[in-house]
Amino acid sequence: DVKVTQSSRYLVKRTGEKVFLECVQDMDHENMFWYRQDPGLGLRLIYFSYDVKMKEKGDIPEGYSVSREKKERFSLILESASTNQTSMYLCATVPLETEAFFGQGTRLTVV
Amino acid sequence: QKEVEQDPGPLSVPEGAIVSLNCTYSNSAFQYFMWYRQYSRKGPELLMYTYSSGNKEDGRFTAQVDKSSKYISLFIRDSQPSDSATYLCAMSGNSGGSNYKLTFGKGTLLTVNP
Repeated sequence: DVKVTQSSRYLVKRTGEKVFLECVQDMDHENMFWYRQDPGLGLRLIYFSYDVKMKEKGDIPEGYSVSREKKERFSLILESASTNQTSMYLCATVPLETEAFFGQGTRLTVV
Repeated sequence: QKEVEQDPGPLSVPEGAIVSLNCTYSNSAFQYFMWYRQYSRKGPELLMYTYSSGNKEDGRFTAQVDKSSKYISLFIRDSQPSDSATYLCAMSGNSGGSNYKLTFGKGTLLTVNP
């Protein structure tokens, strides 16, 4: 079974802090994605990566950056956390066009 | 118009009912159509996928795609309380982008009452 592990289930950070959300997959997949999920808005794509050191902006990249130094690890960075970034963050790998494997999610609260 | 539209519900049905969940989409280049199930406080998991138009059945679940109408459906027969979850449709294969970039509906919250 594919395993996608996100470093934290719950996180509370202060406004203005730099926040790192880590995601690790164990299947050597090339494609990795970061989404945020909000009530009434569904899943929205923040950034994705097709290979090491490669990244592309999704639909809502503002206020975020990413890092992919190793194939198995894809990090989401909130440069200066704000309260409107309070959300559920989901990492996924997509080895085929027909399936995404998601992590368990990180519920981030910015106070 | 959003690329994928899905009625968020909530939908509440008695155990044993037939459930119908639907999505419409606007991008005619979509070729892969998926349904994900998400239990509370968990990540989504793939339930079924269909390539292009047609039907696919897996146990109590049937997925239908009508590309001419840009409409997809998921039917759940003999619904069980364990089916209570949020169901998200997803699509991929849009031209000019990657086939691996999935576009999701907002999800429909389903509750099956014993």
